Amino acid sequence: KQEVTQIPAALSVPEGENLVLNCSFTDSAIYNLQWFRQDPGKGLTSLLLIQSSQREQTSGRLNASLDKSSGRSTLYIAASQPGDSATYLCAVGAGNMLTFGGGTRLMVKP
Amino acid sequence: KAGVTQTPRYLIKTRGQQVTLSCSPISGHRSVSWYQQTPGQGLQFLFEYFSETQRNKGNFPGRFSGRQFSNSRSEMNVSTLELGDSALYLCASSSRPGVLYEQYFGPGTRLTVT
Repeated sequence: KQEVTQIPAALSVPEGENLVLNCSFTDSAIYNLQWFRQDPGKGLTSLLLIQSSQREQTSGRLNASLDKSSGRSTLYIAASQPGDSATYLCAVGAGNMLTFGGGTRLMVKP
Repeated sequence: KAGVTQTPRYLIKTRGQQVTLSCSPISGHRSVSWYQQTPGQGLQFLFEYFSETQRNKGNFPGRFSGRQFSNSRSEMNVSTLELGDSALYLCASSSRPGVLYEQYFGPGTRLTVT
């Protein structure tokens, strides 16, 4: 059974810092890995999708990497802003469903 | 292009009642998946529909059911509600079945069971 873990569970940083969120998964037989953002009480916004054959994807200040063999992905956020405050979820696509990690709750202080 | 829409956004029900939630996927998307999000269990997969057929089902009791219509809109139904069914129910749409393609999520329906 696929298990997805995100570390840290919560993170508080001052504005402007570069930060790294971690995601690990137990079964490397995946199709892809997707990073989402969730604001309080809201749905999920897709940030980046990395196919299993890819190593990384970039969108603006976000960069996500994937090391399938070691079961790890990282989301790098450059020059963090207060508007980045949210919960970040990684989800592994395998079989016919997404398996989600517990999320990292990020607070960026002005 | 409109995103995934879910109705209603908020719902309060009493234990023992039943509830129906609706999801309209992005235009042109034919796959709809449903997830339950709770503080204790996180996000868990309920089921997936494609072309009006359930393709996959998560580990939930039979009280949870769903269907998909010819226009790809989907409904999920929960019968004999329990307090533990209080959750945010999210649906996601994709252009194809499975998880090979990007999943787009709706805003969710917040269900409270009292």
